[in-house]
Amino acid sequence: KNEVEQSPQNLTAQEGEFITINCSYSVGISALHWLQQHPGGGIVSLFMLSSGKKKHGRLIATINIQEKHSSLHITASHPRDSAVYICAVEWGNTPLVFGKGTRLSVIA
Amino acid sequence: DVKVTQSSRYLVKRTGEKVFLECVQDMDHENMFWYRQDPGLGLRLIYFSYDVKMKEKGDIPEGYSVSREKKERFSLILESASTNQTSMYLCASSFPQGDQAEAFFGQGTRLTVV
Repeated sequence: KNEVEQSPQNLTAQEGEFITINCSYSVGISALHWLQQHPGGGIVSLFMLSSGKKKHGRLIATINIQEKHSSLHITASHPRDSAVYICAVEWGNTPLVFGKGTRLSVIA
Repeated sequence: DVKVTQSSRYLVKRTGEKVFLECVQDMDHENMFWYRQDPGLGLRLIYFSYDVKMKEKGDIPEGYSVSREKKERFSLILESASTNQTSMYLCASSFPQGDQAEAFFGQGTRLTVV
């Protein structure tokens, strides 16, 4: 079974800072997901990627298949970015395997 | 535009009660999942289903059962609720596209068993 590790567990940043959250996994995957969970509990999908890089607004996700590693970057962070960010991986049509999440707090 | 709907946001039940958590999706997805989320443990898979009337055990099925009578609805059942089932429960659905499947999540049900 794939093991998914995220770092850091908790992160506090000042508004405007560049933020990086890391995710590593142990075996091959078909796709990696970055998810965002706000304090209310609901989860939204930010990115699904299998290679290279994707960008959406101030969010950038990269993946290195050879190194089994992905990063989520937030540029010009804002307090509304405060949330738990979760990395998850899949292989074929199998259930996602999740990391334990990174709790981000952005202070104004 | 809500795509995955869980019937309750907050629920308080007594020990020993039979509890039903309902999840409905409007995207005609084949795959549906139930997870629980606990501090320090992340999301753990309870049960999943790839088709109507089909169910598979996840990592922590003990104390739970599921029902999928219709494609759009996946119910999680706590046969006899216990305090260690106090948790956040999340439902998700997905549609396989090749070897990838983007998942959509419900808002979660925070269940407290007293």
